[in-house]
Amino acid sequence: DTGVSQDPRHKITKRGQNVTFRCDPISEHNRLYWYRQTLGQGPEFLTYFQNEAQLEKSRLLSDRFSAERPKGSFSTLEIQRTEQGDSAMYLCAGKTYNEQFFGPGTRLTVL
Amino acid sequence: DAKTTQPNSMESNEEEPVHLPCNHSTISGTDYIHWYRQLPSQGPEYVIHGLTSNVNNRMASLAIAEDRKSSTLILHRATLRDAAVYYCILRPDWAGNMLTFGGGTRLMVKP
Repeated sequence: DTGVSQDPRHKITKRGQNVTFRCDPISEHNRLYWYRQTLGQGPEFLTYFQNEAQLEKSRLLSDRFSAERPKGSFSTLEIQRTEQGDSAMYLCAGKTYNEQFFGPGTRLTVL
Repeated sequence: DAKTTQPNSMESNEEEPVHLPCNHSTISGTDYIHWYRQLPSQGPEYVIHGLTSNVNNRMASLAIAEDRKSSTLILHRATLRDAAVYYCILRPDWAGNMLTFGGGTRLMVKP
C-alpha cells in the first residue's frame, strides 16, 4: 500500500458526459503527477503539480482536460465531453524525493 | 528524451535469479536510471534507481555498465509475485521528474 488513493476505481460513462476523478496522496507528497495508461502500453505523463501550482502539462492534455490541486493536498482531474478515445486507466502518483508512489488508478470506460 | 530498449517478454523459473536487461545508448550524464514494475491491475511500483554505481536494495540489484549505455535489473530469487511488467526509465535530473515509460518487459515466472 503506497498510501495514495484514487476515487472512483472504475467509471463507466456515455460519450459526451463529464467525469471527475480524485487523487489523495499522503501529506508528505509535495509533487503530484497524473498519467494515463491504455491497454498494453506504459503510462503516459499528463501533468504535475508542485504543491498547488500546476507546473507542466503534456500535449496529451487537450483543452477538455483540466486538473487542480487546491491547497496542495488532494487533486482532481476532470474530463469534459468525454470521447471513446479517453477510455484508459488514469493514474496519479505522489513524490517526495526519488520515488513516485502510484495509486491504484481509475479505469474509465466511455461508451 | 533519451530512450530505453527492453525485451518485450522474459520467462523465469521460480526461485531462480532473473536478469532483466535495458539498453540506453543515448543516455546523458544527468540521466538517472530508474526501474519500476507494474503488477496486474495495480499502479506502477518503484523498484530501484541509480546513476553510475551498482545499487542494492531489499527488492533487487541494479548493475550499471561502465559506459552507462546499458543496465541490468537483477532479481535474486524470483517468486510468483514478481510476475509483472518491468519498466526501465531514464529520468533527467531537471525535467520536473516526470517518468517517461516505454513498453517494458513482461516477466513471467513459472512454478
